[in-house]
Amino acid sequence: DTGVSQDPRHKITKRGQNVTFRCDPISEHNRLYWYRQTLGQGPEFLTYFQNEAQLEKSRLLSDRFSAERPKGSFSTLEIQRTEQGDSAMYLCASSLPLTSGYNEQFFGPGTRLTVL
Amino acid sequence: AQSVTQLDSQVPVFEEAPVELRCNYSSSVSVYLFWYVQYPNQGLQLLLKYLSGSTLVKGINGFEAEFNKSQTSFHLRKPSVHISDTAEYFCAVSDKGAQKLVFGQGTRLTINP
Repeated sequence: DTGVSQDPRHKITKRGQNVTFRCDPISEHNRLYWYRQTLGQGPEFLTYFQNEAQLEKSRLLSDRFSAERPKGSFSTLEIQRTEQGDSAMYLCASSLPLTSGYNEQFFGPGTRLTVL
Repeated sequence: AQSVTQLDSQVPVFEEAPVELRCNYSSSVSVYLFWYVQYPNQGLQLLLKYLSGSTLVKGINGFEAEFNKSQTSFHLRKPSVHISDTAEYFCAVSDKGAQKLVFGQGTRLTINP
């Protein structure tokens, strides 16, 4: 399978704990995106990378959230001191380098976080 | 800021009936428009996209959508639905030159036999 993969698929944690999610994009894709989807809502943009550079961050990404893509390949999203409001599906997507027009974002299956 | 409104949170239809899922976006600047489908416990799959050119766009699984700039709408249609079309459908928009997608809140399509 050569699609976007995310690990873990499910995470249950207690309030106040730190969690880290991993995303592996499609191999030739240099752009990587994180979105958050709460129950009954559409995905909301969090941040995106071009290679290892984080080029845009949403206001939704509070100081408890940090994303990295150290070698321009896989990415991690860490949430520190989790709160119940962090419970959501965290989606990762990747796309090819932008040559002209728009490049399709391919989504992974997501990591569902439940904060107790 | 760009926003997307999907006018129906749930749409129940009978199998083999036609369906239209409505989507309106806020900005009149140049945009790219998309419809994604999400099956239970899966990620998003692109159904179709409008980048430029013909306002009638055909996608996978027999779906099509029409871009209407004057009404800032991008409604999704299928002439005859199947049980397997049961899923959540999301409309999304991206300003030209921007990278992020802005999604609507989704429409749950339920197909009854």
